[in-house]
Amino acid sequence: AIQMTQSPSTLSASVGDRVTITCRASEGIRNDLGWYQQKPGKAPKLLIYATSNLESGVPSRFSGSGSGTDFTLTISSLQPEDFATYYCLQDWDYPRTFGQGTKVEIK
Amino acid sequence: EVQVVESGGGLVQPGGSLRLSCAASGFTINTYSMNWVRQAPGKGLEWISYITSSGRTIYYADSVKGRFTLSRDNAKNSVYLQMNSLRDEDTAVYYCARDRHAEAFDIWGQGTVVTVSS
Repeated sequence: AIQMTQSPSTLSASVGDRVTITCRASEGIRNDLGWYQQKPGKAPKLLIYATSNLESGVPSRFSGSGSGTDFTLTISSLQPEDFATYYCLQDWDYPRTFGQGTKVEIK
Repeated sequence: EVQVVESGGGLVQPGGSLRLSCAASGFTINTYSMNWVRQAPGKGLEWISYITSSGRTIYYADSVKGRFTLSRDNAKNSVYLQMNSLRDEDTAVYYCARDRHAEAFDIWGQGTVVTVSS
């Protein structure tokens, strides 16, 4: 199975900060990676698909980049509603695998 | 509104069985593959199963293979997860998620809670 290593596991930041989360795949997955946001007690929400495509309705402060094995989610200016846990998911192969998650906390 | 709604969770003893349902509305399920994802208390997301739109291809995570069975009834716009031989470590919130043509899990349900405990 493809292992997805996400870092950091926790990130403390302030409103307005630029935030970067990384995800590394144990083997190449082309650009078959998505990013999901989850708030406590809620279902995950799709933010980015195919590495860099913004899902409809998602604010443009979210962006994704990368290819092959290394991927990045960037929030250009952190907003109060962005404090949440973020997961990457590879959809290149089965079993599908998620990263361990990055909790973005208020500094 | 496009949505999926899970049901069937509950408290079950180790070794017991449960059947989860995922009912779709606002779209026709027969053109979409579907997934189940679970989240143990305080833990991350774990993909557990996938079924193609026709039902002919099904994949499972190793953690549930041989114990869980995924099926679908396109006439009822629903998918079903039969869970047998349940273990303590199967305790989790179970989410149904629509697979948007192998590029993303774009629609998620609110989840149904499964608790395995004696």
